[in-house]
Amino acid sequence: ETGVTQTPRHLVMGMTNKKSLKCEQHLGHNAMYWYKQSAKKPLELMFVYNFKEQTENNSVPSRFSPECPNSSHLFLHLHTLQPEDSALYLCASSFSLAGGPDTQYFGPGTRLTVL
Amino acid sequence: DQQVKQNSPSLSVQEGRISILNCDYTNSMFDYFLWYKKYPAEGPTFLISISSIKDKNEDGRFTVFLNKSAKHLSLHIVPSQPGDSAVYFCAASAGGNNAGNMLTFGGGTRLMVKP
Repeated sequence: ETGVTQTPRHLVMGMTNKKSLKCEQHLGHNAMYWYKQSAKKPLELMFVYNFKEQTENNSVPSRFSPECPNSSHLFLHLHTLQPEDSALYLCASSFSLAGGPDTQYFGPGTRLTVL
Repeated sequence: DQQVKQNSPSLSVQEGRISILNCDYTNSMFDYFLWYKKYPAEGPTFLISISSIKDKNEDGRFTVFLNKSAKHLSLHIVPSQPGDSAVYFCAASAGGNNAGNMLTFGGGTRLMVKP
């Protein structure tokens, strides 16, 4: 049990659908992250939120829209995705961004397939 | 253009022997390095880290070595156990108060420990 949960664990959607991925952390952390892991590629950082404010957008297409209503919850809204967006989407959290590196705690991921 | 590379996609080791996983990086600004372990259907979990002011860090069966001049780090597991079979990711951070947690990951090495 990592303290970071993600739902759904698996999602299949068409290119015209709108869906959302949810992440919740129970660790009292203040920073949350979305990562994407495509087949045979390294984990790529997508978005970073610190105290509910977005601090990093790693040139992610606008068809991915993050939302962080509070420090415990992070959403990734998906619309008009492409088949190449099929990947494992991982959420992570850490205590903070300030003060140097910190360890990040990852959720189990959502396996997304875009048809 | 990967800044963190794990050139061996897989490694097979006999139980009880040493496992050595390697990682190379190109960004000289990286000053903190981490290893994560990932089992199937789970998110990565933090294993061990090392700051650039050190050249070795040990935690039980796990030791990380850092060679800054060669921009190379390695993870040694000894003795290797079947439960160590997983994908191991190397990650690096450039530090700083506001960027301390911007991790760049390698592509991973799948370790298989045979009984």
